[in-house]
Amino acid sequence: GQQVMQIPQYQHVQEGEDFTTYCNSSTTLSNIQWYKQRPGGHPVFLIQLVKSGEVKKQKRLTFQFGEAKKNSSLHITATQTTDVGTYFCAGRGSGYSTLTFGKGTMLLVSP
Amino acid sequence: DTGVSQDPRHKITKRGQNVTFRCDPISEHNRLYWYRQTLGQGPEFLTYFQNEAQLEKSRLLSDRFSAERPKGSFSTLEIQRTEQGDSAMYLCASSGGNEQYFGPGTRLTVT
Repeated sequence: GQQVMQIPQYQHVQEGEDFTTYCNSSTTLSNIQWYKQRPGGHPVFLIQLVKSGEVKKQKRLTFQFGEAKKNSSLHITATQTTDVGTYFCAGRGSGYSTLTFGKGTMLLVSP
Repeated sequence: DTGVSQDPRHKITKRGQNVTFRCDPISEHNRLYWYRQTLGQGPEFLTYFQNEAQLEKSRLLSDRFSAERPKGSFSTLEIQRTEQGDSAMYLCASSGGNEQYFGPGTRLTVT
């Protein structure tokens, strides 16, 4: 079955430093979504990428979808304490209606 | 609040008992998903409804688990003969487009 892997599992940064999490799928994806889960909260949708090589930005967050549509990354510039949480990628395989989530990258930001 | 709601928020039960959880999706959403999440893991897909039709079930889903969405609105997830390994957060999500909106979850503890 489809597997989605994320690295790193955990990252601790100082406020103002950059952060990147990487997502790799065992199969080609039709699209990929990113979610953020705050401690004690539930996953909240951030963005969906559909096209090969697509890059999307949301303020300090930059999302990329690989050319082969098997990998993706999320980069946060100049982290803030409000960025704390776990970031999940979730891939949808071709012909599938459901998402396969990665294990997530937990981000801790120290002031 | 017009978001996804789940009830109960917490459930403690003894091994061997049956439990039932309820999810009320966002009213105009026709798709409803159930996930299970354990500590340090991403949401794991359990089952998916489009309106009242259950279109997909995880192959990993034990036959002790059953879900319904009788009128295409709220959904219930029942676990029969609970085991300690069933202890987890059970998340419901609804969708009317690409993104999924998650509820706060039901935390199940099996003693």
